Amino acid sequence: AQSVAQPEDQVNVAEGNPLTVKCTYSVSGNPYLFWYVQYPNRGLQFLLKYITGDNLVKGSYGFEAEFNKSQTSFHLKKPSALVSDSALYFCAVRGLNDMRFGAGTRLTVKP
Amino acid sequence: GAVVSQHPSRVICKSGTSVKIECRSLDFQATTMFWYRQFPKQSLMLMATSNEGSKATYEQGVEKDKFLINHASLTLSTLTVTSAHPEDSSFYICSARVGTSFGNEQFFGPGTRLTVL
Repeated sequence: AQSVAQPEDQVNVAEGNPLTVKCTYSVSGNPYLFWYVQYPNRGLQFLLKYITGDNLVKGSYGFEAEFNKSQTSFHLKKPSALVSDSALYFCAVRGLNDMRFGAGTRLTVKP
Repeated sequence: GAVVSQHPSRVICKSGTSVKIECRSLDFQATTMFWYRQFPKQSLMLMATSNEGSKATYEQGVEKDKFLINHASLTLSTLTVTSAHPEDSSFYICSARVGTSFGNEQFFGPGTRLTVL
């Protein structure tokens, strides 16, 4: 079965510093991986996806993610964090019929 | 990107009553719609998958008689929580997808906060 894991419940970074939110995956076949962000009492907003092609995927709001097949990882990154990036981030993998989500990582960016 | 709306955004009801939540794809036709629930500080858990004109497929542990899903058109799916109880209080999120190809993006609604008193 397709699954993703987010090993960190919480990530804290200072504004202006680079941020990384980790995700590892377990799939049979080619992975279709996604990152979403959720603000309080809101639905999910799509950030980026990896289907095929370049391992470095660029997405919305300056975020990017690096697909690493050997490490089965798809970490989300941003060179310079903003306070407004503080939110809940979900990694997801496309299964046969639906999307499966990781447990989520709460990112807090402090001024 | 495509827009998915949910109505209502927030609902409070008494225990024992039924609540209907609507999910609409506003600018595309959704072949498949999904319903998720999310408890505080937890991830989204898939409840059911529905294809237009077909019966919904429920995940293990989800009571189909309690969570009635109707996907009568390509732009509308409804979730009815029947005889709601306080433990049904949660954040319900719908999602819609065009087609079934891998890589087709799922678009998510803003969610509905259900509180059962």
